[in-house]
Amino acid sequence: GAVVSQHPSWVICKSGTSVKIECRSLDFQATTMFWYRQFPKQSLMLMATSNEGSKATYEQGVEKDKFLINHASLTLSTLTVTSAHPEDSSFYICSARDTYEQYFGPGTRLTVT
Amino acid sequence: GQQLNQSPQSMFIQEGEDVSMNCTSSSIFNTWLWYKQDPGEGPVLLIALYKAGELTSNGRLTAQFGITRKDSFLNISASIPSDVGIYFCAGPEGKNQGAQKLVFGQGTRLTINP
Repeated sequence: GAVVSQHPSWVICKSGTSVKIECRSLDFQATTMFWYRQFPKQSLMLMATSNEGSKATYEQGVEKDKFLINHASLTLSTLTVTSAHPEDSSFYICSARDTYEQYFGPGTRLTVT
Repeated sequence: GQQLNQSPQSMFIQEGEDVSMNCTSSSIFNTWLWYKQDPGEGPVLLIALYKAGELTSNGRLTAQFGITRKDSFLNISASIPSDVGIYFCAGPEGKNQGAQKLVFGQGTRLTINP
């Protein structure tokens, strides 16, 4: 099946710094990628939809200036958490869609100290 | 927005037992998806349902798309330790369900005692 990778798998950063997370579709081209956030013992919450070559569409309540998304190619989308704070600590999961379904990456655990 | 209500929230069973969980919505879905998430991993698709009344199996897993299109269930037969994890139902959001956004249920956390 289709494979989606994320890098890094985990990251620890200091409050006030920025962190970039990469999402790659390894064996297919994805015109649309999605970014989710998952807090402990909770479900996945969609943050934004990323379309190649255009601006991302953010869900209500998600700060677009804080969570910068770039979808520069059909196989790569990046999420940058700017000026991270401890409350941004979470599990970030991307997914990439081909014609038929969404495939999820393994997630990135972000801890902000 | 649309919501999926999943139950039970958690289950504690003995190895070898059968498991049943369900998902309901106040609105109609044209597709129902069941995912499993292992700790520290992303969700993996188990079964996809595309037609009201459809009953689909994947090994020991069986899922059905309710005829009202507002519910679905997932059964696991003869549970084994590797079945441990969180199971999510999901469906495409919005009137245009060809749009690609998914809404997820709250999840069912399955724990198995050997």
